[in-house]
Amino acid sequence: AQSVTQLGSHVSVSEGALVLLRCNYSSSVPPYLFWYVQYPNQGLQLLLKYTTGATLVKGINGFEAEFKKSETSFHLTKPSAHMSDAAEYFCAVSEDPGRRALTFGSGTRLQVQP
Amino acid sequence: DGGITQSPKYLFRKEGQNVTLSCEQNLNHDAMYWYRQDPGQGLRLIYYSQIVNDFQKGDIAEGYSVSREKKESFPLTVTSAQKNPTAFYLCASSRGGTGGTYEQYFGPGTRLTVT
Repeated sequence: AQSVTQLGSHVSVSEGALVLLRCNYSSSVPPYLFWYVQYPNQGLQLLLKYTTGATLVKGINGFEAEFKKSETSFHLTKPSAHMSDAAEYFCAVSEDPGRRALTFGSGTRLQVQP
Repeated sequence: DGGITQSPKYLFRKEGQNVTLSCEQNLNHDAMYWYRQDPGQGLRLIYYSQIVNDFQKGDIAEGYSVSREKKESFPLTVTSAQKNPTAFYLCASSRGGTGGTYEQYFGPGTRLTVT
């Protein structure tokens, strides 16, 4: 069975500082990995995804993530935080083509201080 | 514009009443999903459907029912058997087929409050 662990339910950074949100997964097969962002009372928006190929994935809004198979990690980073980045971020994994559903982590709320 | 619509945005019901949440998509996606979101718990899968007239239970299907009579629509009924129905409900869709990247597109959600 697959699972996703997001370390840190709340992360606070200063505007302009590095953003690092951690995600570790467990999977018996090569997974598909996703990061989504959710603003208050809204649906989820896809930031980026890893399927195959290049392990460093670039997404929208300046975010990127690196798939590290040896560490079973898919951490999300952004070099310089902006106030508009304040939101909740979810890591998700899919490995079951038959079900095609995603397993989500519990989320990390990012706070950006001025 | 293509997308997923959920209605209503906010829904209030009395305990013991069934309630149906609407989900419509015009993305021509084969697969559709319902998730429940509670604070600090991420999203949990309720039901999913990969094709019209077929659906499967997810991880927390008890107290819920769905139908998939049309490709565009996947309504969710929260029955009186659901013990803790107050939550934020999200509908999603994705392309079907045997390949693909399983990327899901989400609607804006419905916040259900049962008192």
